[in-house]
Amino acid sequence: QSALTQPASVSGSPGQSITISCTGTISDIGDYNYVSWHQQHPGKAPRLMIYVVNRRPPGVSHRFSGSKSGNTASLTISGLQTEDEADYYCSSYTAYNTWVFGGGTRLTVL
Amino acid sequence: QVQLVESGGDLVKPGGSLRLSCAGSGFTFSDYYINWIRQAPGKGLEWVSFISATGDTRSYADSVKGRFTVSRDNGKNSLYLHMHSLRVEDTAVYYCARDDGFNLEYWGQGTLVSVSS
Repeated sequence: QSALTQPASVSGSPGQSITISCTGTISDIGDYNYVSWHQQHPGKAPRLMIYVVNRRPPGVSHRFSGSKSGNTASLTISGLQTEDEADYYCSSYTAYNTWVFGGGTRLTVL
Repeated sequence: QVQLVESGGDLVKPGGSLRLSCAGSGFTFSDYYINWIRQAPGKGLEWVSFISATGDTRSYADSVKGRFTVSRDNGKNSLYLHMHSLRVEDTAVYYCARDDGFNLEYWGQGTLVSVSS
């Protein structure tokens, strides 16, 4: 049950777009569309931003979008805003009837 | 509104035991799988366990298998995590989260478990 691989950090300027990658294996991302992305601000509980690869829960901005190709999922945030600065975690259901998270990516809005 | 509230976190010595609770409200508790996820200080999220709506299916991360047991009491709208043989590396904030069909939309605020001598 190795963690999914995410870049440790990404950055962008307000108004720009950024993409965070999340790489797994054929036993998780590659075989299931149950990929989610969570946002976490310091001291807060995680917030679901994307589920089932590319669906947004009610209340989540259309600036957040998800995709998947092979064993890699991606989160794209367009029109960056200062409040987007947070940690982002991908997760996937696995063939072992477990869940696995990525190591997290710190997004800095310059 | 949907609410999940964890409790039971404490300071415990290595090798000790602890039971965490997660109380659900604002929804039909017995309809949902519930997960435990933890976060060590300054670290990322780590999935720990889930239990099915009826309690007949349970799954654990390798890091806690054989030491932690998840259970639920649907009559009390409560979920439990029984933790034994605790290690320093089990120190974390423990969250419970509702599974809405392979997505974890609702989370509690977490309870802190500290394992230290």
